[in-house]
Amino acid sequence: NAGVTQTPKFRVLKTGQSMTLLCAQDMNHEYMYWYRQDPGMGLRLIHYSVGEGTTAKGEVPDGYNVSRLKKQNFLLGLESAAPSQTSVYFCASSYQGWYTEAFFGQGTRLTVV
Amino acid sequence: KNEVEQSPQNLTAQEGEFITINCSYSVGISALHWLQQHPGGGIVSLFMLSSGKKKHGRLIATINIQEKHSSLHITASHPRDSAVYICAVMYSGGGADGLTFGKGTHLIIQP
Repeated sequence: NAGVTQTPKFRVLKTGQSMTLLCAQDMNHEYMYWYRQDPGMGLRLIHYSVGEGTTAKGEVPDGYNVSRLKKQNFLLGLESAAPSQTSVYFCASSYQGWYTEAFFGQGTRLTVV
Repeated sequence: KNEVEQSPQNLTAQEGEFITINCSYSVGISALHWLQQHPGGGIVSLFMLSSGKKKHGRLIATINIQEKHSSLHITASHPRDSAVYICAVMYSGGGADGLTFGKGTHLIIQP
């Protein structure tokens, strides 16, 4: 049982480049989330999904897009990376939102130069 | 935006000491989570609680709904407990996105 797996773990991008972060969970969870973590700040929600085929904006959605074509996968895309998107990105999943235990991935450290 | 305040921000203690980390919030909540993050590592859920007290091994989490306060205790602390501990709350009436995170408490346990 792998839990929540994020790929890649590290990435360096040049300004303007695009990339996709993949989050995969094998627990049949309905809810999936993408967060970013920056120094001195709490985790901030980028986008989330409450089921296959659904997505919704979180607190800081600008510059990001997401897709949930399969229940087990939640993709986060950066179409044109900016230095302000340098951060550590975490994916999380849960069975029934934050009323239930959540499981996090190991994080993706992204640097945009 | 409703805030989640943690104290202390940083804590250094000796192995074996009893550790307390505090979390306070401003309005009514549906659930409160305690998370652990090791340096350079992922985030692990320790507890989810909405009332009372939970215990897992040397970790104990309590919540006082009336005082809008929760504590995380570590008994017989060990260097492997060194990590950032994060409190997060789901405010009553919050939707699927309604989790607010504290900034974390950085704990170092010295041998």
